[in-house]
Amino acid sequence: NAGVTQTPKFQVLKTGQSMTLQCAQDMNHEYMSWYRQDPGMGLRLIHYSVGAGITDQGEVPNGYNVSRSTTEDFPLRLLSAAPSQTSVYFCASSYSGHDYTFGSGTRLTVV
Amino acid sequence: KNQVEQSPQSLIILEGKNCTLQCNYTVSPFSNLRWYKQDTGRGPVSLTIMTFSENTKSNGRYTATLDADTKQSSLHITASQLSDSASYICVVTTGTASKLTFGTGTRLQVTL
Repeated sequence: NAGVTQTPKFQVLKTGQSMTLQCAQDMNHEYMSWYRQDPGMGLRLIHYSVGAGITDQGEVPNGYNVSRSTTEDFPLRLLSAAPSQTSVYFCASSYSGHDYTFGSGTRLTVV
Repeated sequence: KNQVEQSPQSLIILEGKNCTLQCNYTVSPFSNLRWYKQDTGRGPVSLTIMTFSENTKSNGRYTATLDADTKQSSLHITASQLSDSASYICVVTTGTASKLTFGTGTRLQVTL
């Protein structure tokens, strides 16, 4: 039982490049979310999903896209990377929203 | 605006000592409150979760309290260990389960 798996762990992008952060869970959780963590700030919700085929925006969705074609996977796409998107990104999943399991994070630097 | 404030921002204690971390929130409507431990370079890991009707919840040496009237919570760590060095994050959930409001965390360092 791997829990929530995020890849890659580290990534450096040039401004304007696009990429996809991968998130997969093997716990059959319906709820999945993406957060970013910046110094001095609490985790902020980017996008979330309450089931396959259903996604919605969180607090800071601009510049990011998501899709949820399967229960297991919830990729986060950066359309055109900007230095302001330099952050640590966490994916989390939950069976019913009662408690969340977080991945180990992706540290992204945009230069 | 929903907010969660934690204090202190950082704390250094000697191994074996106790400490208490504070959390004040203005999230509404309240669903539950969670405390997470986040080791450096890792994702947050759940310690406790409390609903409106629960005043105290323990997990080993960690004891969380909740006063829903004053909208305050505390996390008490007993007989601290070096492995307790981490950030402790208070998270409050609104009525919608997917909407969590995170505090900025208290960074705890336990030293010899």
